[in-house]
Amino acid sequence: AQSVTQPDIHITVSEGASLELRCNYSYGATPYLFWYVQSPGQGLQLLLKYFSGDTLVQGIKGFEAEFKRSQSSFNLRKPSVHWSDAAEYFCAVGNNAGNMLTFGGGTRLMVKP
Amino acid sequence: DAGVTQSPTHLIKTRGQQVTLRCSPKSGHDTVSWYQQALGQGPQFIFQYYEEEERQRGNFPDRFSGHQFPNYSSELNVNALLLGDSALYLCASSPGQTYGYTFGSGTRLTVV
Repeated sequence: AQSVTQPDIHITVSEGASLELRCNYSYGATPYLFWYVQSPGQGLQLLLKYFSGDTLVQGIKGFEAEFKRSQSSFNLRKPSVHWSDAAEYFCAVGNNAGNMLTFGGGTRLMVKP
Repeated sequence: DAGVTQSPTHLIKTRGQQVTLRCSPKSGHDTVSWYQQALGQGPQFIFQYYEEEERQRGNFPDRFSGHQFPNYSSELNVNALLLGDSALYLCASSPGQTYGYTFGSGTRLTVV
């Protein structure tokens, strides 16, 4: 069975500081990995995805993530956080059939001015 | 170009009642997936519809059922509502059974 763990429930960073959100996954085969962002009362917006190839993936809004197979991790990073980045972030793993995502519990990001 | 449209946006139901939630997919998308997001948790996969058939189902009881229409829109039905069914229900559409998901803003269901 596939699963995702996001160890940090809440993270607070100062505006302009760097950010790293952790994600660990469990999946028997080569995983399809995703990061989504959710603002209050909204649906999910895709930040980036990894299917294969280069293990460093660039996404929207200046985010990037690195796939590390040996650590079963797919951490999300941003060099300089903006106040508008405050939201809930979800890591997810997809099955090979392309029809089911399993999400982690999410990390709530707060940004201090 | 409209994205994924869900209706209603908010709904309050009494325990034991039945509810129907609706989803219109993004133009060009023919596959609809439904997710339940309880407060403070990540979304959980309910099921996916493609070519008017349920193609994959998550760990949800038979009280949860769905339908997909020829125009690709979809309904999620929940019978015998429990307090624990209170959640944000998200619909996602995609072109075929791929991960090109577009999510709707969801329907907030409250069971009292």
